Order: sequence, then C-alpha cells, then structure tokens
Amino acid sequence: DADVTQTPRNRITKTGKRIMLECSQTKGHDRMYWYRQDPGLGLRLIYYSFDVKDINKGEISDGYSVSRQAQAKFSLSLESAIPNQTALYFCATSDSRRTGQETQYFGPGTRLLVL
Amino acid sequence: AQSVTQLGSHVSVSEGALVLLRCNYSSSVPPYLFWYVQYPNQGLQLLLKYTSAATLVKGINGFEAEFKKSETSFHLTKPSAHMSDAAEYFCAVVEGGSEKLVFGKGTKLTVNP
Repeated sequence: DADVTQTPRNRITKTGKRIMLECSQTKGHDRMYWYRQDPGLGLRLIYYSFDVKDINKGEISDGYSVSRQAQAKFSLSLESAIPNQTALYFCATSDSRRTGQETQYFGPGTRLLVL
Repeated sequence: AQSVTQLGSHVSVSEGALVLLRCNYSSSVPPYLFWYVQYPNQGLQLLLKYTSAATLVKGINGFEAEFKKSETSFHLTKPSAHMSDAAEYFCAVVEGGSEKLVFGKGTKLTVNP
C-alpha cells in the first residue's frame, strides 16, 4: 500500500460547487502539505500543517481551506470552485523529528477539472 | 525569499547522450537542495538531495548533482540517457527558517531513440 494516498484521483465539478480533496498517510509524519501544479508554473504551496493544531497559509491560499482531522489526515476544500482552480493537486508529508526532516514525500495527485 | 530558476523548460537529448538539467538558487544561507522527478501521470519522487555534506550527490537511476556555492548552482546530470528517463524534473530549495520547499518551474526531458 502507498504511504501517502489521495482521494479522489480525478474529479470533475462545476463552478460554484464545494469540493473536498483528502489526503491520508501511514508514514507517521507530523507535517503535511498541499500543493497545486500548473503547467509551466511548477508546484506552489497552498497550505501546510506542522501538527494537528498548527495550520499555516502558503503562497496561494485564497479560495482554499484545510482541515487537519488527525495526524494522518489533511483535507483541502474549495468552498466555491472556479475554473482557474483546475489543476493537479498534491499532498506531501515530512517528519520533523528525524534526520532528513526536510525531505517531503508526495502522494499520487488529484486531477481536478472545474467547468 | 528563496527562489529557484531552472534554465530550459524543455530539454531534448538522444538516447545514450549526456543529460544536463540546470538549476540555480538564491540563498543567503546554506540551503537544502533537492531534485524531484515526475513520470507521466504520477506523483513526485525524490531523485537526490544536498544537505551540506558532500558537494557531489548521487541519486537514483544513475543521476547525480553537484552543489557549487560560488555559482549558486545545483545542476543535475546523467552520463547516458535512457528512454525511461523521459519525465519532468523539478529542482527545489528549502526556505530558511520556515522549512518550506520552494520549487522551480520544472524541466521536461525528452529522450529520442
């Protein structure tokens, strides 16, 4: 089984709909991240969480919200989806307590299309 | 703020040729540097990382990168390209103090038979 899983893997939705993307990890890591990838722009950080009670905005948080339900779960919500949120979304984890703490491990991604 | 510049959004090489993907970073303090690879329709996989130990870092699949402080560079190389190396490659740096990864815009590598 994959260490970092994302659901759904693909989603098509309409403008104005609320949508949630979920991320779960079995790595036991304390830190979790949400990124979006757009062609030619690389990955940009949306939100990150260093533990269950520590959630921070990233570079492009407008239009998104997150919830860290447990150490292993980190959800990303689009309250009212718009077409320019069409992108590939990645969840990542890292462990602050170990050597190599700066290394992030990525899930397989969720491809979102907003019509 | 930290930034990463990847020169060339697309690089094309012949099978068996040298692969050179360029990455320059901006940092006033010693950084942690990474190369990630994304194969088609997959997530990102760590290729290698520099964490202030040896300046020449060896990664998976025959790739290596050399940290050059004087040039603020961390270029990725492989002596002989294989068809399976076709992918998008991302250079990234950890932003000092926040431990957030900052990514370059990526370089798509095409390997021609």
